[in-house]
Amino acid sequence: EAGVAQSPRYKIIEKRQSVAFWCNPISGHATLYWYQQILGQGPKLLIQFQNNGVVDDSQLPKDRFSAERLKGVDSTLKIQPAKLEDSAVYLCASSLVKGHLINEQFFGPGTRLTVL
Amino acid sequence: SQQGEEDPQALSIQEGENATMNCSYKTSINNLQWYRQNSGRGLVHLILIRSNEREKHSGRLRVTLDTSKKSSSLLITASQAADTASYFCATRMDSSYKLIFGSGTRLLVRP
Repeated sequence: EAGVAQSPRYKIIEKRQSVAFWCNPISGHATLYWYQQILGQGPKLLIQFQNNGVVDDSQLPKDRFSAERLKGVDSTLKIQPAKLEDSAVYLCASSLVKGHLINEQFFGPGTRLTVL
Repeated sequence: SQQGEEDPQALSIQEGENATMNCSYKTSINNLQWYRQNSGRGLVHLILIRSNEREKHSGRLRVTLDTSKKSSSLLITASQAADTASYFCATRMDSSYKLIFGSGTRLLVRP
C-alpha cells in the first residue's frame, strides 16, 4: 500500500515570502493532519481534517497559515507571509476512523522549510 | 505546552543492551502511543496501549502504562544499531481526537 506522499521535500525561502505544501494521504483514510516539528521538539498539531471538514485548528496561526482539503482527499498547507520562526519540518499524516476509535497515524516524509 | 515529556532526553547504549525510556503526561488519556523517527523512514508508529491496559508487547518492544502515576515506559530489548532514532510518546485524551506528542528521547545504539 502506498504511503502518505508530500511535496516538496525541501524548501528554502526568504522571510515575508509565501510557500505551499501538498499532501496526498493513504487511500481511504478520512482523517488528515498537518503537524509542525521544530528541531529538537516533538510534532505539534496544526490542523486536523475529517474528510473535507476541519475538526481542530486551535493551534494554527490563522493570520499567516491556511489549509484546505478540497474533495476530502489531497490537502495543501500555505504560509503567507513566512517568518523566521516558521523554519521547521511540516509533517502530514492520515488515519482511519472507526466510530470513536482513532487508529495509528501514518506519516509522510515531511517538508523541511528553511526561512532566511 | 506538550502533554508528554520523555526521559531521558538522550540515551547512548552498546548494541545488545536494553534501552528504557519513560514518558510522563498530565491529564487522563484514552490511549498512549509510541513512535520512532529517523532520517531514513520518517515518523513510524510502534505500539498503542489503551488506558485499561497495563502492559503490551510487540517483538522486542515492551510498553507499560501506569495511569495512577500518569506514566509509561518503552523497553527495547537486545538493541541493534538500526534502533538508533528519536522515540516519542503521544497521548490521546477522551475529550479529543488529536494526539499530543512529547519532546522525545534520542537513542544512540553503538555497534
